[in-house]
Amino acid sequence: DQQVKQNSPSLSVQEGRISILNCDYTNSMFDYFLWYKKYPAEGPTFLISISSIKDKNEDGRFTVFLNKSAKHLSLHIVPSQPGDSAVYFCAASAMDSSYKLIFGSGTRLLVRP
Amino acid sequence: DTAVSQTPKYLVTQMGNDKSIKCEQNLGHDTMYWYKQDSKKFLKIMFSYNNKELIINETVPNRFSPKSPDKAHLNLHINSLELGDSAVYFCASSQGGRGESSYNEQFFGPGTRLTVL
Repeated sequence: DQQVKQNSPSLSVQEGRISILNCDYTNSMFDYFLWYKKYPAEGPTFLISISSIKDKNEDGRFTVFLNKSAKHLSLHIVPSQPGDSAVYFCAASAMDSSYKLIFGSGTRLLVRP
Repeated sequence: DTAVSQTPKYLVTQMGNDKSIKCEQNLGHDTMYWYKQDSKKFLKIMFSYNNKELIINETVPNRFSPKSPDKAHLNLHINSLELGDSAVYFCASSQGGRGESSYNEQFFGPGTRLTVL
């Protein structure tokens, strides 16, 4: 039973345009959400996070939006750059589950020059 | 000065063997983890230690045994390796802190690709 879902396995966008990566979750106890970026043959790298008490968090070109009622979050990258091409994982944790992160299956982003 | 390091990066071995993967973090974090990324690319938590105490132990065969000699190290020992154990294993660490979700930003090592023949 997948508690965190990334329904788009891949996304291709033109350099300079916006990339929108989506993530849905089912567990209403999740209170913290994170996005990780992964290049081939490397470990995931933390990108940005959001607490459930917020609906938006911004860091440079990266913005994460959280819609709790829809149990949906999205990562916006503006403007997209070829170096952003990677696999993006959404992850979630619940305060009562110690430190466990539940990951989605990832979305492969390709930014075309 | 790598924050989370794992050795070896690649491990190829025969079925039935016993092998270990080592992990070290120099971030001063209290909590360390082992994840398995299977062929479908899902990252799944296996174990977590906080200050050398086991706090997460997912449904993992008991052939897998984590060992934390100190809070900077978390090793993974696998007995009687099976074909299905082939995967990429990631170590991670975080500052931890029960109830403090913001401390759960986990930093990952580069991964160990295990191939069982």
